Amino acid sequence: AQKITQTQPGMFVQEKEAVTLDCTYDTSDQSYGLFWYKQPSSGEMIFLIYQGSYDEQNATEGRYSLNFQKARKSANLVISASQLGDSAMYFCAMRETSGTYKYIFGTGTRLKVLA
Amino acid sequence: DTGVSQNPRHKITKRGQNVTFRCDPISEHNRLYWYRQTLGQGPEFLTYFQNEAQLEKSRLLSDRFSAERPKGSFSTLEIQRTEQGDSAMYLCASSVAMNTEAFFGQGTRLTVV
Repeated sequence: AQKITQTQPGMFVQEKEAVTLDCTYDTSDQSYGLFWYKQPSSGEMIFLIYQGSYDEQNATEGRYSLNFQKARKSANLVISASQLGDSAMYFCAMRETSGTYKYIFGTGTRLKVLA
Repeated sequence: DTGVSQNPRHKITKRGQNVTFRCDPISEHNRLYWYRQTLGQGPEFLTYFQNEAQLEKSRLLSDRFSAERPKGSFSTLEIQRTEQGDSAMYLCASSVAMNTEAFFGQGTRLTVV
């Protein structure tokens, strides 16, 4: 069965600094997709970044980058130049590669950006 | 395109009452998912629709839960005889294809008192 593990319940970062949120995964599939979502207090899950298992380069989207280490089964999110608006819950997720292609989520990391 | 819309945003109900939530996915998104999120946890899959067909239901979806997606457009999730353990955020997501990201609504927060 697929599993996502996020071991950091909470993180603090100073404004304008970079922060890394950890994510490890477990799957026996060769092809899979990894996602990061942001959930502000409003509740909506906002898509941030995607990494395919066969992608040779780490994904980047603006200030977000994904540090993908396939052998270690890790997919850490790096947020550069943190902003106060980055304070939120962050979820790592894996998408199934068959059937309904549903998402399996981790328990999340709450990030607080300090002024 | 206004994104995935969920109504109501908040619902407080007495134990034993029935409640119904609505999800309007992004137009032309034929894939629709319902998830449940309890405090301190990530979203957990409940059920999936492709167009109007409900193709998968989680074991979390007890007999008191029913979901529909008539005509493959909006979807409803009904909980009958609510229990305090049903208190959670119910999230809806849609996507246009299996290899594209899912877009989530803002969720419906249910409180059963």
